[in-house]
Amino acid sequence: SYVLTQPPSVSVAPGQTARITCGGNNIGSKSVHWYQQKPGQAPVLVVYNDDARPSGIPERFSGSNSGNTAALTISRVEAGDEADYCCQLWDTTTGHPVFGGGTKLTVL
Amino acid sequence: QLQLQESGSGLVKPSQTLSLTCTVSGGSISSGAHSWSWIRQPPGKGLEWMGYIYHTGITYYRPSLKNRVTILVDRSNNQFSLKVTSVTAADTAIYYCARSKRDHGDDWYFDLWGRGTLVTVSS
Repeated sequence: SYVLTQPPSVSVAPGQTARITCGGNNIGSKSVHWYQQKPGQAPVLVVYNDDARPSGIPERFSGSNSGNTAALTISRVEAGDEADYCCQLWDTTTGHPVFGGGTKLTVL
Repeated sequence: QLQLQESGSGLVKPSQTLSLTCTVSGGSISSGAHSWSWIRQPPGKGLEWMGYIYHTGITYYRPSLKNRVTILVDRSNNQFSLKVTSVTAADTAIYYCARSKRDHGDDWYFDLWGRGTLVTVSS
């Protein structure tokens, strides 16, 4: 089945930009979605269809997808952005969704 | 504002059946634009999709769980449910119900989630 690869952790200082990657074979040909999960809470959709933001998600969150890498970029990082971030797509070969292993974002 | 809430037993003995219900409030489960999924997360691990159901009752399960998982819909009570048979310690996880949505093709994503419920498999 399709495998999504994320770095275990990313660290960034407040006010800087965080970029979290999600790697997969020809992932640029698929739609990628991103979730934020804070400790003890349910995941929240922050980006869908590569680069669209749900209502209520700040413009600081943006997505991109090309070639073998999709990315979630968080601009002007705040302490409240500290969370696990997970990518997801629909594997048309198996007919079910696949999640990445998640990346823990630490705000220094 | 549509909300989802999981309920059910938090402790299940090995070899027995895990049963959970997801109650949808603030909207109808009979929306043709959505499906309704169960997703679980073992402690300290990543998310694993288990299956989904349409309001019509059509289901699709994760192949590796297909023989043990059943998802049903109860439109009259705006609920859908999950049963997992023959559970082991490996089924210990936080179980989430979620609404699935797609804008094109089969590119489903999960736009609303319940708060999750911890199910522990232990004797």
